Amino acid sequence: QKEVEQDPGPLSVPEGAIVSLNCTYSNSAFQYFMWYRQYSRKGPELLMYTYSSGNKEDGRFTAQVDKSSKYISLFIRDSQPSDSATYLCAMVNQAGTALIFGKGTTLSVSS
Amino acid sequence: ETGVTQSPTHLIKTRGQQVTLRCSSQSGHNTVSWYQQALGQGPQFIFQYYREEENGRGNFPPRFSGLQFPNYSSELNVNALELDDSALYLCASSLDPQGNTEAFFGQGTRLTVV
Repeated sequence: QKEVEQDPGPLSVPEGAIVSLNCTYSNSAFQYFMWYRQYSRKGPELLMYTYSSGNKEDGRFTAQVDKSSKYISLFIRDSQPSDSATYLCAMVNQAGTALIFGKGTTLSVSS
Repeated sequence: ETGVTQSPTHLIKTRGQQVTLRCSSQSGHNTVSWYQQALGQGPQFIFQYYREEENGRGNFPPRFSGLQFPNYSSELNVNALELDDSALYLCASSLDPQGNTEAFFGQGTRLTVV
């Protein structure tokens, strides 16, 4: 079993839709959870990070962590064509020295 | 755009050759990590450098090696290239070895091994 599982999609939605992206993980010791956005042929860009369980909101983006279920989510409200990208979840490893990524979910928002 | 720059952006090498990739950290960041991202996959941790020493390594063979310089820039060297080494190589810089919650990535170097 991989440490971090993420459905690669692709996911296609119309402009203005609410998007839900999810990851599950196996190591209950993970404490820090990140979401990155990666445009084609670019490096990942940090969207937001969350410590432990709970919610965090930043503009149209909301990150949720449920440690009891080992499940994290990213919600995008009022999605825009410019949100079309690959979204990667990541967790900091137990040593704190590396990120463990999911495979990424490819999102396409059509106008 | 982050302050992390990588060079070159693309290169093509032949199986068995050696390659050196370069990374310049964001100003003030003393830690550099390297990741390999195969097509359709998430990045995989290769190793981290802090104070010019390797400070953690992922599941990669010894033919993957690195250097960090006093100005915190870094190199990734890969010897005896294999076809499976074809990937996007990313470097990320952070304020310290535990600063992965705010690691900034460069645009990557796309390596093709033929």
